[in-house]
Amino acid sequence: GENVEQHPSTLSVQEGDSAVIKCTYSDSASNYFPWYKQELGKRPQLIIDIRSNVGEKKDQRIAVTLNKTAKHFSLHITETQPEDSAVYFCAASGSGGSNYKLTFGKGTLLTVNP
Amino acid sequence: ETGVTQTPRHLVMGMTNKKSLKCEQHLGHNAMYWYKQSAKKPLELMFVYNFKEQTENNSVPSRFSPECPNSSHLFLHLHTLQPEDSALYLCASSHMAEPGLLYFGPGTRLTVT
Repeated sequence: GENVEQHPSTLSVQEGDSAVIKCTYSDSASNYFPWYKQELGKRPQLIIDIRSNVGEKKDQRIAVTLNKTAKHFSLHITETQPEDSAVYFCAASGSGGSNYKLTFGKGTLLTVNP
Repeated sequence: ETGVTQTPRHLVMGMTNKKSLKCEQHLGHNAMYWYKQSAKKPLELMFVYNFKEQTENNSVPSRFSPECPNSSHLFLHLHTLQPEDSALYLCASSHMAEPGLLYFGPGTRLTVT
């Protein structure tokens, strides 16, 4: 089955700096890659996603890039703010028609210091 | 209430108890999921229901028994659990057309003593 590796497990940045979280996946047939944000004590929520026919997608201060050849994708947050502090999870869809089966990475705890 | 709701929010149970977790979605979705979230582990998919039919059982022990009476309600029946089953149990829903766009409930924090 699919295996998703996520790095780093923790990331601390100063307010205003950029943050990058990287993920790799194993199943070359995976075609959908969402990112979820989970604030402390709250539920995970989708913040951005990318499909395999696109190399990059942006939404205000966040962007995601995908390299299908290398099977890795990354989340980029620019001009970080304290409210960006949370755990971020990457995920990849399954193959073989099981496109509802998301495999998640272990998460990255991002801390933005004011 | 809108979105995805779960009850109870916290549950402490002994290993010989039987309890049930409840999930309800008010989004008109047709797929529902149970996920387990443990410390320092990825979100683990347990069960998937599409149009009330179970389409995925991710090698979950039989002490966890799901039930989906309709596309808006999902239960997780628990019996003879182990301490290592202590975790946050998250329910989620989605449209079949957008299976990766999950809407999560707030979760039930389960402690098995």
